[in-house]
Parts: sequence; structure tokens; C-alpha cells
Amino acid sequence: GAVVSQHPSRVICKSGTSVKIECRSLDFQATTMFWYRQFPKQSLMLMATSNEGSKATYEQGVEKDKFLINHASLTLSTLTVTSAHPEDSSFYICSVYSGLSYEQYFGPGTRLTVT
Amino acid sequence: AQTVTQSQPEMSVQEAETVTLSCTYDTSESNYYLFWYKQPPSRQMILVIRQEAYKQQNATENRFSVNFQKAAKSFSLKISDSQLGDTAMDFCAFMKRNSGGGADGLTFGKGTHLIIQP
Repeated sequence: GAVVSQHPSRVICKSGTSVKIECRSLDFQATTMFWYRQFPKQSLMLMATSNEGSKATYEQGVEKDKFLINHASLTLSTLTVTSAHPEDSSFYICSVYSGLSYEQYFGPGTRLTVT
Repeated sequence: AQTVTQSQPEMSVQEAETVTLSCTYDTSESNYYLFWYKQPPSRQMILVIRQEAYKQQNATENRFSVNFQKAAKSFSLKISDSQLGDTAMDFCAFMKRNSGGGADGLTFGKGTHLIIQP
């Protein structure tokens, strides 16, 4: 399967600032990546679909102006949380989709804490 | 839209026992995949097993097997000879397959916390 990295693994930021999370596919060129959010003791919720070279598709209820997604290359997608607030504190996980195996390969996640 | 339901918030069994985790789903799609993922304390999502909806044969991977009942929209996971390392959150997930080889994001159930007792 594909090897996926995320950076940073954890970040603490102050309310009102922006933070960028990177998702890299290290050994696989990914046309499609996904971003999920997981609150404590809850399941993963799909936030958006990131397609290389085109605009991201956001799930209902996810603010596209707050969660900016850029998929500029086949190996990198970024999620920027703009004007972060404490309620944005969560675990953010990306995945890389393979159209050959019809599977998603997950990154290790990023823990965001907004103070 | 599809939904995935896991009705067992927590399961606890003794090491070496067999345990079955239940999962039901609801969809109007005909082309889809079903997965079981486990999430250990490290929080890294690990694929346990997958099932293509068009295949009638139940998937198996070593100690892990599924009972896929398409008409009933049921997809349970059986873990044989359970090990301490199986302790994790287990998630059932649905993925719609699109034409051209693409797919939608995963829809997850709420998860079952599986605890293997020594």
C-alpha cells in the first residue's frame, strides 16, 4: 500500500491564527486525497475530497472558506484552518486513494489544539 | 447518502477467543466496497479487511473474516484466536465506487472498542 505522511503531527495555535497541515503521498501519485476530522472518542467524519489540479469538494456543513484545501501536485495536499477557534481543536487525518486497489491509505494524523 | 451502524460500543473477550463485531449499512448504491479498519491507541488507521459488493464470497485475511449479507445489508467481522494486539477501536466503513475508477470518501460507523483481556 501507499505510504502517507502528515506534518505536523501535533500543533498548538492561538485563537484567530491560521495553521497549515500537509499530507504527502511518499511513494504513490494520488489524483484524489481525502480529509477527515475525528473528535475525541468519536468516529472519523469526511470533510472534503481533494482532487489534484481542481477545487476541493466539501461535505455538507464544512465551511470551505474556513478549511482551505490545496492539491497542487500528485503527492501533496494541504489543509489550512483559517482563523482557528477552540472548537476547531480536533484530530485531522488525510488519506490517499488508489484507483488500482480501490483502497484508501491513511496518514498518521495531526492533532490540532487551539487555545 | 449512506449510513453505517455499529451497535456495539464496546466488546471485551479473553485472549484466544473468537469475537464477532456487527455492522449494518444502508445505501441505494449498487457499486461499493465495505471495509473494517482498526485504530489502535497510536490513532493510525489500519485496514483489516475489505469486501467488494459484487463478490458473493466472503473475504478472509488470516484470523479475520467477514460475513457479508448483501440483501440484509450486513457486514460483520469475525476475529479468531484473538490476541492482545487486537485491542483497538474497530470501524466499519462504506465507500461508493464511481465510474472511471474513482470513489467517494469513506462513511464510517461509530466504532466498537474491542478489548482483549489476558
